[in-house]
Amino acid sequence: DQQVKQNSPSLSVQEGRISILNCDYTNSMFDYFLWYKKYPAEGPTFLISISSIKDKNEDGRFTVFLNKSAKHLSLHIVPSQPGDSAVYFCAASESGGYQKVTFGTGTKLQVIP
Amino acid sequence: KAGVTQTPRYLIKTRGQQVTLSCSPISGHRSVSWYQQTPGQGLQFLFEYFSETQRNKGNFPGRFSGRQFSNSRSEMNVSTLELGDSALYLCASSPRQVSGNTIYFGEGSWLTVV
Repeated sequence: DQQVKQNSPSLSVQEGRISILNCDYTNSMFDYFLWYKKYPAEGPTFLISISSIKDKNEDGRFTVFLNKSAKHLSLHIVPSQPGDSAVYFCAASESGGYQKVTFGTGTKLQVIP
Repeated sequence: KAGVTQTPRYLIKTRGQQVTLSCSPISGHRSVSWYQQTPGQGLQFLFEYFSETQRNKGNFPGRFSGRQFSNSRSEMNVSTLELGDSALYLCASSPRQVSGNTIYFGEGSWLTVV
């Protein structure tokens, strides 16, 4: 039962353009969402998060949008840079319970110079 | 501030053996959780510890176990290794004991079972 889904295994974008990574979730109890970036042979690095009380959160080139009614979130990277090439994981958790984060299967982003 | 430290980084074991992986959380973080990453499967939650108590467990067989020490350091153990246990094992720590907060990962331990 995949509660967090990233339906695009890969994405290629030209340098300087916008990268949009999508994520869907099925568990309506999820109220905290995170994006992680992972390079090969390294652990995931936290990028940005959003609470369900918001619909947008920005941090530099990264913006996360949350559509609760559609159970959908997206990560926008503008402008995309070659160093952004990595696997991006969407993740979600329920506030207040014991610590457990549920991850999607990841989207591999390639930014072409 | 030092990040999450995992040892060893790489190891090769034979089927039937057991393995112990170690994790030192970020200083001050008392919640430690473990994840398994295999190709195409994303990160699968193994278990979470807080104050030396396992509070949450994922859908893994009993061969996977763990513990946490009073200094918040944690170990996970896999007994009777199978080929399918080959994976990247990731430890994450959090400053909060409840969910709905960011968790921070270590570099991971790459386990190959032959």
